[in-house]
Amino acid sequence: ETGVTQSPTHLIKTRGQQVTLRCSSQSGHNTVSWYQQALGQGPQFIFQYYREEENGRGNFPPRFSGLQFPNYSSELNVNALELDDSALYLCASSWDRVGGYTFGSGTRLTVV
Amino acid sequence: GESVGLHLPTLSVQEGDNSIINCAYSNSASDYFIWYKQESGKGPQFIIDIRSNMDKRQGQRVTVLLNKTVKHLSLQIAATQPGDSAVYFCAETGGGSNYKLTFGKGTLLTVNP
Repeated sequence: ETGVTQSPTHLIKTRGQQVTLRCSSQSGHNTVSWYQQALGQGPQFIFQYYREEENGRGNFPPRFSGLQFPNYSSELNVNALELDDSALYLCASSWDRVGGYTFGSGTRLTVV
Repeated sequence: GESVGLHLPTLSVQEGDNSIINCAYSNSASDYFIWYKQESGKGPQFIIDIRSNMDKRQGQRVTVLLNKTVKHLSLQIAATQPGDSAVYFCAETGGGSNYKLTFGKGTLLTVNP
């Protein structure tokens, strides 16, 4: 059984650019959630995808968007990057929206 | 808004001692709580969970206690080892927002040999 894998592991982007982060969910999981973790803080919920539809969203602007594919993998897209978007982006998968979240190791995004 | 917070940002213990990490939550509708361990450069790792219909749950070397009256959660680690050194987060979910986890800021546990 494979865990949650995220790519890339590290990324440096320039302010104003766009970025796409990818996540493969754990085998058997149909739900993917994305979290942003600033340095020294706890993860903050961005949104969740269940069966290819957005199932809930946190307090993030519309320039944060996502997709879930039929194989339950997911993408997080961020447009018009700002310096404050620099963070660790975590993907978590679960079975059926609640509980049992398994986290990936994250993508470290640096915006310069 | 609702939040989950921790009483102590850092905790330093000697190897072999027992560790207790505390967490306060404010959402009275929370019904599921999880403790995560996060090592440097890694994602949060599940340690133990507890539902609101329980007061205590034990795992291997870890125990979680839930006091719903004062909305307090604690994680006890027995015979703490150097490998336990990490940041520990409590997270909660429930009520109308049971699709997301709300995390606290974390407690850094340092185990001294």
